[in-house]
Amino acid sequence: EVRLVESGGDLIQSGGSLRLSCAASGFTVSSKYMSWVRQAPGKGLEWVSVIYSGGSTFYADSVKGRFTISRDNSKNTLYLQMNSLRAEDTAVYYCAKGDSALDSWGQGTLVTVSS
Amino acid sequence: QSALTQPPSASGSPGQSVTISCTGTSSDVGGYNYVSWYQQHPGKAPKLMIYEVSKRPSGVPDRFSGSKSGNTASLTVSGLQAEDEADYYCYSYAGSNTYVFGTGTKVTVL
Repeated sequence: EVRLVESGGDLIQSGGSLRLSCAASGFTVSSKYMSWVRQAPGKGLEWVSVIYSGGSTFYADSVKGRFTISRDNSKNTLYLQMNSLRAEDTAVYYCAKGDSALDSWGQGTLVTVSS
Repeated sequence: QSALTQPPSASGSPGQSVTISCTGTSSDVGGYNYVSWYQQHPGKAPKLMIYEVSKRPSGVPDRFSGSKSGNTASLTVSGLQAEDEADYYCYSYAGSNTYVFGTGTKVTVL
């Protein structure tokens, strides 16, 4: 059974940094495309980043240069390093398996950026 | 990376059908057959309902169907049931290894 569990969300001040983790089970993270999606409180879904099985990474313009997606194959875990955080980054962050079709999702982790 | 346009709300009585549109451009919806749809109940993670425009994942009822014409994709829910009341989002490949969600539609079962 595929399972994704996010962690690392917190209340942090504007300008700070945070690293989110997404522990996977039931499949191998390095063999799949993996994505991060966020949802601001009361708002819609926003695509954030993707890492392909070959290791290529891509980002939404809103986070490019500030966020970095990566994975640790030995821990079967996906990460999102978030720097220079802004109030508008406040959201629930979901990791998901896939790229154009996100077929499994975690429960999400809340990041709150205070200004 | 502008969000795809969906109507804010849609509704129908139990047993009826509801269709949700998702309008983009030739650079996203119209340019690729990589449109998917997600159902999200309050406080829950989204769930994949349709992928590659019209394919249904295992376990999704055949009451859910997808289609595309030009720059607009559509999700139809037939035989509406109370548990179909949720938010629905479309999602498309947008070229250059980027992706974009729709603005979301709240479906109400009357």
